[in-house]
Amino acid sequence: DAGVTQSPTHLIKTRGQQVTLRCSPKSGHDTVSWYQQALGQGPQFIFQYYEEEERQRGNFPDRFSGHQFPNYSSELNVNALLLGDSALYLCASTLLQGARGYTFGSGTRLTVV
Amino acid sequence: AQSVSQHNHHVILSEAASLELGCNYSYGGTVNLFWYVQYPGQHLQLLLKYFSGDPLVKGIKGFEAEFIKSKFSFNLRKPSVQWSDTAEYFCAVNEGSGTYKYIFGTGTRLKVLA
Repeated sequence: DAGVTQSPTHLIKTRGQQVTLRCSPKSGHDTVSWYQQALGQGPQFIFQYYEEEERQRGNFPDRFSGHQFPNYSSELNVNALLLGDSALYLCASTLLQGARGYTFGSGTRLTVV
Repeated sequence: AQSVSQHNHHVILSEAASLELGCNYSYGGTVNLFWYVQYPGQHLQLLLKYFSGDPLVKGIKGFEAEFIKSKFSFNLRKPSVQWSDTAEYFCAVNEGSGTYKYIFGTGTRLKVLA
């Protein structure tokens, strides 16, 4: 059990559509980060949410947006999907933005056709 | 931009062989260093981490890693691998100065033959 819950596990979308991915952090954690893992690559940082605000962002276009709710859960939204957005999207949680060891979820596999 | 290099993309070993996976990073300042493992069909799990102090850190399942600052390296080692160590291993670096993102290497796929 990862402790971090992501839904859905798999998703197929058409180019141009919009998608929302969801994450519930590990119990006791209040900070959520999102990563994109393309096939054969390591995870790449998208952004981090803490206290319902985006605190840091990686090199991803504005099509990628997020939200954190008062219960610390989070959503990742991707608009105008491109074929290149096909990847495993990982959610990671920690406490107080602590960078000293995130707990990762099992991910959502997004396929854009 | 900071980068993390894992030079071994695929490694095949027999059981009981020794393992060393390389990890080099490019950032010159204070860093926090991590090794994560991803078993087939499972989530990323933390193997070990280094923040400061003794550069030789021990993790779970008999793994250890050595931080060599002068070489910008954080290599992962295990004296004797088991079939159950078959997995993908990722090195990750955090700059540790008010930034929260991890920068991951591209991973090393380890296959251990029984």
